[in-house]
Amino acid sequence: NAGVTQTPKFRILKIGQSMTLQCTQDMNHNYMYWYRQDPGMGLKLIYYSVGAGITDKGEVPNGYNVSRSTTEDFPLRLELAAPSQTSVYFCASSRLASSSYEQYFGPGTRLTVT
Amino acid sequence: AQSVTQLGSHVSVSEGALVLLRCNYSSSVPPYLFWYVQYPNQGLQLLLKYTTGATLVKGINGFEAEFKKSETSFHLTKPSAHMSDAAEYFCAVSLSIGTDSWGKFQFGAGTQVVVTP
Repeated sequence: NAGVTQTPKFRILKIGQSMTLQCTQDMNHNYMYWYRQDPGMGLKLIYYSVGAGITDKGEVPNGYNVSRSTTEDFPLRLELAAPSQTSVYFCASSRLASSSYEQYFGPGTRLTVT
Repeated sequence: AQSVTQLGSHVSVSEGALVLLRCNYSSSVPPYLFWYVQYPNQGLQLLLKYTTGATLVKGINGFEAEFKKSETSFHLTKPSAHMSDAAEYFCAVSLSIGTDSWGKFQFGAGTQVVVTP
């Protein structure tokens, strides 16, 4: 049971390039999330999904896109990378049952846009 | 909508001393409350949570927190700090089923804990 896995761990992008951050969970969780973490700012929700085929915007969705074709995978797409997207990105999942209402986090992807 | 405020972005404690991290929330309905810990270059790990029932909850690594509805607080404590407690701690709130915020979590800005010998 690997939990939540993210790839890559580190990435450097040039301004205007695109990339996809991968996230996979093997816990059969229905909810999945993408956050970005900036120093002193806590975690900001980018997008979330309540199940395969269903996604919704969080607080800071601009410049990002997501898809959820399977229960396990929730990739985050950056189009036209900008320096403001330099951050650490965390994927999380949750089952949201009353007995298990918490999020499980991946190890993060550290992205630098120069 | 819910929000979370953590008082103090940095806290320094001596080894063996009490650790107290403050978290206040605002919510129009009874919240679910969480504390997470983040060690350097790692993801967040759940320390403890309050959903319903007993208002004093115990978590991993000797931490506990008390939900005080009248004070809208969920402060985290540990009686005796260890060097291994040095990390960043996040308070988070979510709302119960039936609300339009079901499934969303709001995080505080985090408190960095430094433990000195």
